[in-house]
Amino acid sequence: DGGITQSPKYLFRKEGQNVTLSCEQNLNHDAMYWYRQDPGQGLRLIYYSQIVNDFQKGDIAEGYSVSREKKESFPLTVTSAQKNPTAFYLCASSPPPLAGGPVEQFFGPGTRLTVL
Amino acid sequence: QKEVEQNSGPLSVPEGAIASLNCTYSDRVSQSFFWYRQYSGKSPELIMSIYSNGDKEDGRFTAQLNKASQYVSLLIRDSQPSDSATYLCAVKIKAAGNKLTFGGGTRVLVKP
Repeated sequence: DGGITQSPKYLFRKEGQNVTLSCEQNLNHDAMYWYRQDPGQGLRLIYYSQIVNDFQKGDIAEGYSVSREKKESFPLTVTSAQKNPTAFYLCASSPPPLAGGPVEQFFGPGTRLTVL
Repeated sequence: QKEVEQNSGPLSVPEGAIASLNCTYSDRVSQSFFWYRQYSGKSPELIMSIYSNGDKEDGRFTAQLNKASQYVSLLIRDSQPSDSATYLCAVKIKAAGNKLTFGGGTRVLVKP
C-alpha cells in the first residue's frame, strides 16, 4: 500500500519545546517537501530536499530544521525559535520529471500542531 | 503583487451548473500549472496538471492555460455538492527547480 504517511495527526506543544513531525513515503520519490498552511491561507514552503543528505530552505525556514538521512524519511523539527508554530503541516513528495513533463507533488494527510 | 493570485470566494454554484475558477501568476517563465482540491481539514489532492497552452479535459474537469495572458483556469462541469471544497492553484517556475508556489485558494460551495 504505497503512499505518504505523517505522524502524529494532532500534536500539542508547550511554548519553548521543540517537536518533531514525521514524514515517510514508500513511493520511491527522490524529492520531498514540507509546507505550512494557516487557516484560510495557501501553502508556504518551509524546506525541501531533492536527494538524500541534501536539503534547501524554502520561503519560511526560520525556526525549523530538517534532515534527510534516508530516501523514505524527511522529518521536520519545529524549534522554540519559531514564534507562531500553530498551523497545519503538510509533507509532500514528487517523482523525477519525465521528458520535460510537469513534476507533480503528492501530499500526506498532514499534522495539525497547536501550541498551548 | 503576489506571485500566484486567486479569488478567495466563496464561489456559490447551483448543483449541475459550471463552476469557473481563475488563477493569475506573475512570473512569465512559469512552466507547469496544477490544480489541487482540498476538503476542510484534509490535505490537498491533485486534480489536474497542465503545461501547454489550451485546454486539458479530465472527466468533469477542464484546465485552461493562457501563458500570454498569464492565467490558468479550472472549469467544473455538472457541479455536485461533493465538489464543495477549496481549490488551490500551484505554479512551477523554471528557475526555482521543482518548487511550487501556491495561491491562497478559492472556496467553492455547490448548493443542491
